[in-house]
Amino acid sequence: EVQLVESGGGLVQPGRSLKLSCAASGFTFSDYNMAWVRQAPKKGLEWVATIIYDGSRTYYRDSVKGRFTISRDNAKSTLYLQMDSLRSEDTATYYCATGRGFAYWGQGTLVTVSS
Amino acid sequence: DIQMTQSPSVLSASVGDRVTLNCKASQNINKYLNWYQQKLGEAPKLLIYNTNNLQTGIPSRFSGSGSGTDFTLTISSLQPEDFATYFCFQHNSWPLTFGSGTKLEIK
Repeated sequence: EVQLVESGGGLVQPGRSLKLSCAASGFTFSDYNMAWVRQAPKKGLEWVATIIYDGSRTYYRDSVKGRFTISRDNAKSTLYLQMDSLRSEDTATYYCATGRGFAYWGQGTLVTVSS
Repeated sequence: DIQMTQSPSVLSASVGDRVTLNCKASQNINKYLNWYQQKLGEAPKLLIYNTNNLQTGIPSRFSGSGSGTDFTLTISSLQPEDFATYFCFQHNSWPLTFGSGTKLEIK
């Protein structure tokens, strides 16, 4: 059974950093592209970043470029999102997702950026 | 960036109704359009991928169609568990983008 478990969310002040993790199991992690998708409270879904299966390429939405870094450790079957220079508009539940068509999602981890 | 416009934003319907949800892309996305269902407090669930392919385990009352810029999700006979919010999503080009959602409510 495919499982994705996010962790690392919490309350952080504007301008500070946070690192999210997504532990994967139940599939061959190194075969799949991975992504982060976020959802602000009571809002829609927003794609954040994607990393290719071997880590060779990464893609970001404009609003996080230069501030967020997606990475992966295929030996540990873990996906990461390093978030720097956080802003109030980054407040959201962050999901990791994978599989054809984003068939598999974690339960999400809430990030709140507030002073 | 490709803008995804969903309509209507809210749809009121009854159990047993046939409903159609719309999604329009601001430019051609070929067949690369997915549909997700999301219930309150839960992660999204993939229903349809690449316009018209039913995800494993999804009931056959869900179907998708379209091409290019105009796409639809049809639920042939609404069940009580179908009342939720539905999002379309294009993965034809970066940045990937979601529609703003259609909330399906009980009439």
